[in-house]
This record gives sequence, C-alpha cells and structure tokens, in this order.
Amino acid sequence: EAGVAQSPRYKIIEKRQSVAFWCNPISGHATLYWYQQILGQGPKLLIQFQNNGVVDDSQLPKDRFSAERLKGVDSTLKIQPAKLEDSAVYLCASSLDRAPSPLHFGNGTRLTVT
Amino acid sequence: QKEVEQNSGPLSVPEGAIASLNCTYSDRGSQSFFWYRQYSGKSPELIMSIYSNGDKEDGRFTAQLNKASQYVSLLIRDSQPSDSATYLCAVSGGSYIPTFGRGTSLIVHP
Repeated sequence: EAGVAQSPRYKIIEKRQSVAFWCNPISGHATLYWYQQILGQGPKLLIQFQNNGVVDDSQLPKDRFSAERLKGVDSTLKIQPAKLEDSAVYLCASSLDRAPSPLHFGNGTRLTVT
Repeated sequence: QKEVEQNSGPLSVPEGAIASLNCTYSDRGSQSFFWYRQYSGKSPELIMSIYSNGDKEDGRFTAQLNKASQYVSLLIRDSQPSDSATYLCAVSGGSYIPTFGRGTSLIVHP
C-alpha cells in the first residue's frame, strides 16, 4: 500500500511569511494527525482529524496556524505569519481509526524560519 | 496535561547486548502503548504495540507493560549497530490522542 505522502520535503522562509504543507494519508485511513517535532524533542500533536471533523486542536496556535481536511482525505496545514520558533519538522500521520490503531507517518516537511 | 517521560540518553550498549528502554506516563486511564523507532532525519516507524499488562515479544524486541506502576519498557536483545536510533514511547487513553515522549537515543557500538 502507498504510504502517507507529504510535500514539500523542505521549506525555508523568512519570519512573518506564510507557508502551507500538504498531506495525503493512506487510502481508507479515517484519522489524520499533524505533529510538530522540534529538534531533540518528541512529536507534539497540533491537530487530529476524524474523517473531515476536528477531534482535538487544543495545542494548535490558532492565532497563526490553521488546518483543514476537506472531503475527509487530503489535509493542509498553514502557518501565517511564521515565527522563528516555528522551525521544526512537521509530520503528518494517519491511522485506520482512532487509537489503538498505530500511526503511519509521512516523511515530514522540514521548515526553517530565518 | 498528560505526560510521557523518557530518559533522553544516550544509552550506549555494546553489540550483542540487551538494550533496555524505559517510559513512564501520568494518565492512569491510558489504554494503548506504542514504541516507535526514529532514525536521524527520518520519520518514526512503529516497532511494537502493547495493550495489556505483561510482556509481548516480536523477534528481538520485547515490550513490557505494568499499568499499576504506569511503566512501559522495550527490550532489544542481541543489539546491532543498525538498532542505533531514537526510540519514542507513545501513549493514548480514552480520548484516543497519542502523546509522545521526547525519545531515548540508543547507540550500539561494535
């Protein structure tokens, strides 16, 4: 089966600019997650979707981050405006259903904000 | 705030030895426990999942869960240099939201 697809792989922007990341989960996976992983730390959940509905976005900085999952398949995560501390790897993951289904991760997008 | 704690390491073991990685969690309602391996510059990949108290073995890997002590561990037998990576513990409870620890860096030296 095809894995979780993410793009772009790398992105360098200046602070206060905007950026968007795209994710296509494994076919048939109902649950989609966006995690932020800062160097040396574990992944931190930003938002979790079940089909096209939001399950949890309590740790999403909503003044600058937004995410959507139209039609319950692809998802986009946007940052506007970016700050230096947003430099991280943004990981998209999907699972067949909510836990206890294990997560399948994409390759991630490495964001550098200068 | 649900916490998942891991010693960041690095844990250094010789080739062929047993590596023991530990994880504690704060939410007593946690029900699902996972170990992921993450190579440098790569994404996490699932190694083991465990849901009930006791041991679960898969090849050279054994996951151990003790819910009373809120403790989960991963043993790697006959460690190989290719096992050198960061091992992430993930825990989810009734809300089904997976929370990750910061990971333990494992170095297996020849």
